[in-house]
Amino acid sequence: DAKTTQPTSMDCAEGRAANLPCNHSTISGNEYVYWYRQIHSQGPQYIIHGLKNNETNEMASLIITEDRKSSTLILPHATLRDTAVYYCIVRALIYNQGGKLIFGQGTELSVKP
Amino acid sequence: EAQVTQNPRYLITVTGKKLTVTCSQNMNHEYMSWYRQDPGLGLRQIYYSMNVEVTDKGDVPEGYKVSRKEKRNFPLILESPSPNQTSLYFCASVSRITDTQYFGPGTRLTVL
Repeated sequence: DAKTTQPTSMDCAEGRAANLPCNHSTISGNEYVYWYRQIHSQGPQYIIHGLKNNETNEMASLIITEDRKSSTLILPHATLRDTAVYYCIVRALIYNQGGKLIFGQGTELSVKP
Repeated sequence: EAQVTQNPRYLITVTGKKLTVTCSQNMNHEYMSWYRQDPGLGLRQIYYSMNVEVTDKGDVPEGYKVSRKEKRNFPLILESPSPNQTSLYFCASVSRITDTQYFGPGTRLTVL
């Protein structure tokens, strides 16, 4: 699985868009980009994933660069409840080891009033 | 509501006293996993199961056992807990249709 690099921490003002970057320069052609978040010691929560096209759901948008070496998770209107650690994970859509996810250190996002 | 449940949520025990952490999912998923989370080490997979009666070791299986006798349940067993198994444990199940993992709320275990 490709390695990812994320900033350790970020701040965002409540109501503003939160843009969380992720570098994955060694991503392979069959690897997807997944985003999960963990709100203080709760179970990680799926946010979104994509292969090469931009994706949007009710929680967030995922922008993947054309060369796929980096991506950005966008929370369009951050609230205090979005304060969490956000994990960018890259892996192929295969189910080795029961779909194991490899979590890095993630980005600690603090949304401030 | 789709969910993964774990019990107990908190447990303090002593070295050597066998314990079981239960995990149940209501989504009919075939794939389930156990992870532990420790400061500075992130989440690491302990065991996984790809179907009933099919289980295999993850990255840190020492000191743990699992069973999968029915699809919805995947208990984690510590036959003889030790202090180095003090951790936050998460059970997860995987939707192969949406490629999404659903995590339980976590079990915080302290072994004295």
